[in-house]
Amino acid sequence: DAGVIQSPRHEVTEMGQEVTLRCKPISGHDYLFWYRQTMMRGLELLIYFNNNVPIDDSGMPEDRFSAKMPNASFSTLKIQPSEPRDSAVYFCASSRDSKTNLYGYTFGSGTRLTVV
Amino acid sequence: RKEVEQDPGPFNVPEGATVAFNCTYSNSASQSFFWYRQDCRKEPKLLMSVYSSGNEDGRFTAQLNRASQYISLLIRDSKLSDSATYLCVVIFLIKAAGNKLTFGGGTRVLVKP
Repeated sequence: DAGVIQSPRHEVTEMGQEVTLRCKPISGHDYLFWYRQTMMRGLELLIYFNNNVPIDDSGMPEDRFSAKMPNASFSTLKIQPSEPRDSAVYFCASSRDSKTNLYGYTFGSGTRLTVV
Repeated sequence: RKEVEQDPGPFNVPEGATVAFNCTYSNSASQSFFWYRQDCRKEPKLLMSVYSSGNEDGRFTAQLNRASQYISLLIRDSKLSDSATYLCVVIFLIKAAGNKLTFGGGTRVLVKP
């Protein structure tokens, strides 16, 4: 199994530009999570999906952030327009059966976003 | 007050020594506890769960103190490869929303020769 696949690994963009992060969960996993990690705030849950349906987006910081999951094998996190304070590492994770089933909870390698 | 708090460190540990650090949680309804390991510029990976009676996995020992609301991780005979950030995870029940999973900010451990 290739694990959770995220792209790109690194993204440098100018303030005001649109940024799209991509995630392919592990096949068979029905939960998908988007996290953001910064030195100041640690690892924060932004949104999670169950069976492609967004369940809880209360962690999404502002309307500039949006996430979609058009099918079981693909999700995107979009920031439009991007700002320097969005600079962080964004992780996607997937799990099976439960949103708190940590034994099957797998993180992707993350996307390091820098907004200049 | 944060729901889950950790001393960010770093804990500088001589190779072969023992190091221990805690993670405190504020919600007394917390149900499950885990330790994750995150290497520099890598994703977090599950290290071990924390059982009520305490548990060991090789050189790693995890303990839970419900009365004082903290979990601990002890690493014996530290190896250079143990250098990482250790994140605690607490799962607690929210009546309206089911279980909630919260990560601590992490404790950085540096093992030196």
